[in-house]
Amino acid sequence: GQQLNQSPQSMFIQEGEDVSMNCTSSSIFNTWLWYKQEPGEGPVLLIALYKAGELTSNGRLTAQFGITRKDSFLNISASIPSDVGIYFCAGRPPGNQFYFGTGTSLTVIP
Amino acid sequence: SQTIHQWPATLVQPVGSPLSLECTVEGTSNPNLYWYRQAAGRGLQLLFYSVGIGQISSEVPQNLSASRPQDRQFILSSKKLLLSDSGFYLCAWSDGSNQPQHFGDGTRLSIL
Repeated sequence: GQQLNQSPQSMFIQEGEDVSMNCTSSSIFNTWLWYKQEPGEGPVLLIALYKAGELTSNGRLTAQFGITRKDSFLNISASIPSDVGIYFCAGRPPGNQFYFGTGTSLTVIP
Repeated sequence: SQTIHQWPATLVQPVGSPLSLECTVEGTSNPNLYWYRQAAGRGLQLLFYSVGIGQISSEVPQNLSASRPQDRQFILSSKKLLLSDSGFYLCAWSDGSNQPQHFGDGTRLSIL
């Protein structure tokens, strides 16, 4: 089956620091998505990427579709307490459904 | 704009009892619909997806079933719940298989 590795598994950072997380796949993907999930809620779509090399921003969040099409990165600049949550990547191989990563749990210490 | 509603938000059921979780989408036509289970380990496991009324694909064998009686209604059911059915169930919709999925707020199911 499809392997989607997301790292790190968890992060504890000081408010104001930048955050980086990534996902890698065992095969080529056509689409990468990044979601954020807060406790007791469903994941919310943050950024969608459709082309290799694409770099897209959403406020303080920036995500990139890796040029090999087997990875994607999410960066959060100048973190704030409300950035706390679990961040998921999702990727779609050609002709297939989306696969989800296991999540990165982010804790921001004020 | 499109919205997705899932209910109930929480449910506590005894082992062996039946289950019915409902999901409805508004503001779009002929969406793809999905049921996921999210265990404590955080990963999202795809249970069922549907590309149209009456069309259900099952990803993993299990104690659950799904039905799509109307275009924007997706139901997750079980005749007899097991302890292992506990978890956080999420419904999602998309405009197509290659489009991002949008999630409801989930149902926390506890089996006693």
